[in-house]
Amino acid sequence: EPEVTQTPSHQVTQMGQEVILRCVPISNHLYFYWYRQILGQKVEFLVSFYNNEISEKSEIFDDQFSVERPDGSNFTLKIRSTKLEDSAMYFCASSVDTQHEKLFFGSGTQLSVL
Amino acid sequence: GQNIDQPTEMTATEGAIVQINCTYQTSGFNGLFWYQQHAGEAPTFLSYNVLDGLEEKGRFSSFLSRSKGYSYLLLKELQMKDSASYLCAVRDGGAAGNKLTFGGGTRVLVKP
Repeated sequence: EPEVTQTPSHQVTQMGQEVILRCVPISNHLYFYWYRQILGQKVEFLVSFYNNEISEKSEIFDDQFSVERPDGSNFTLKIRSTKLEDSAMYFCASSVDTQHEKLFFGSGTQLSVL
Repeated sequence: GQNIDQPTEMTATEGAIVQINCTYQTSGFNGLFWYQQHAGEAPTFLSYNVLDGLEEKGRFSSFLSRSKGYSYLLLKELQMKDSASYLCAVRDGGAAGNKLTFGGGTRVLVKP
């Protein structure tokens, strides 16, 4: 079965550094997402992306965050200046469309900000 | 705002049945999803309801009542591998995107 792949699986960074989390969505999917899950807390929506632009974003997704689809396969999340509270598991997800379609999640990138 | 409530934890015996309830108050509604999440792993899709009633898929069934803002996930013939967190999530029906709002998850522990 096709799957969403994410790299790296773990990322350790110093506070204030920039990080880029990478994702390869399923090839025929048109909608892409980032969610995060702080340890022991609920999964939270960050951003959705369609047709090369952000379609929706949450309050968490401030100007320190950006997303990009630099080519036909990759989808990235950049955090410009990481904070301690950015430490979380970041999940990329994709779906074929928005109607009655489930999200397929990647296995996540565990980000630790020291 | 969005509010999704589900119990924090449930314990059941192998071979038994467990029902996980979820209530929601959301500004929009365009479907309710149940996901399974093993510790340290990604959520995996279990079921989807958009109309009232019961959806059955093997050992798992999910029910929805839109007028009551209520859903449940029923797990039958429990197996040890069913020990996981079960996440209730509502799609809010935005014009674009597939934003899901998740509940806090119900951790199910299956005992021998």
